[in-house]
Amino acid sequence: GEDVEQSLFLSVREGDSSVINCTYTDSSSTYLYWYKQEPGAGLQLLTYIFSNMDMKQDQRLTVLLNKKDKHLSLRIADTQTGDSAIYFCAEIRNSGNTPLVFGKGTRLSVIA
Amino acid sequence: GAVVSQHPSWVICKSGTSVKIECRSLDFQATTMFWYRQFPKQSLMLMATSNEGSKATYEQGVEKDKFLINHASLTLSTLTVTSAHPEDSSFYICSARDRTSGSGEQFFGPGTRLTVL
Repeated sequence: GEDVEQSLFLSVREGDSSVINCTYTDSSSTYLYWYKQEPGAGLQLLTYIFSNMDMKQDQRLTVLLNKKDKHLSLRIADTQTGDSAIYFCAEIRNSGNTPLVFGKGTRLSVIA
Repeated sequence: GAVVSQHPSWVICKSGTSVKIECRSLDFQATTMFWYRQFPKQSLMLMATSNEGSKATYEQGVEKDKFLINHASLTLSTLTVTSAHPEDSSFYICSARDRTSGSGEQFFGPGTRLTVL
């Protein structure tokens, strides 16, 4: 199957780190992505990682990929109230016409 | 770069009318565009995959005669909700893939909120 699973909710205090986890089932996934959706808006691509990488860091964002366990995580350092949003994990088997397969999204609430 | 626009951003219409939503890739060419529907506090539901110059591929359970998709150019796809009814009220989001990108990411429009009275 091509299921992508995420926990639905996460609550953290401002200034703490947030870790959002995702598991996927397709071992042939080539790229994995993290998107952010704020209320009433479309999805914003935050970052992506190629399947032969273990880690990718971009400012406050760190993506970790454990390909053996099919586990992807997004760590947000020094979480701010503006980080409150829904975060979607997604995978793709190959490019071209194949749509991304999305998880159901994790709603991150940041408490001031 | 990689901006996708949607128009209109919101629309209210009477039951039985048709509504057209436009999706444009502003600074890249998109061979493939995708249309999603999202209910409040729910995940994205893929409706169809649209390829430039060919018929759209609809997901199971999506009525192709009700949701007409046209992808006439590499920068424009349209979704027409025909004979709209209140149950069609939803947030519709389009997405486009840059034909030159090797990493397959999809860029999303800001969404269109449709309310059918």
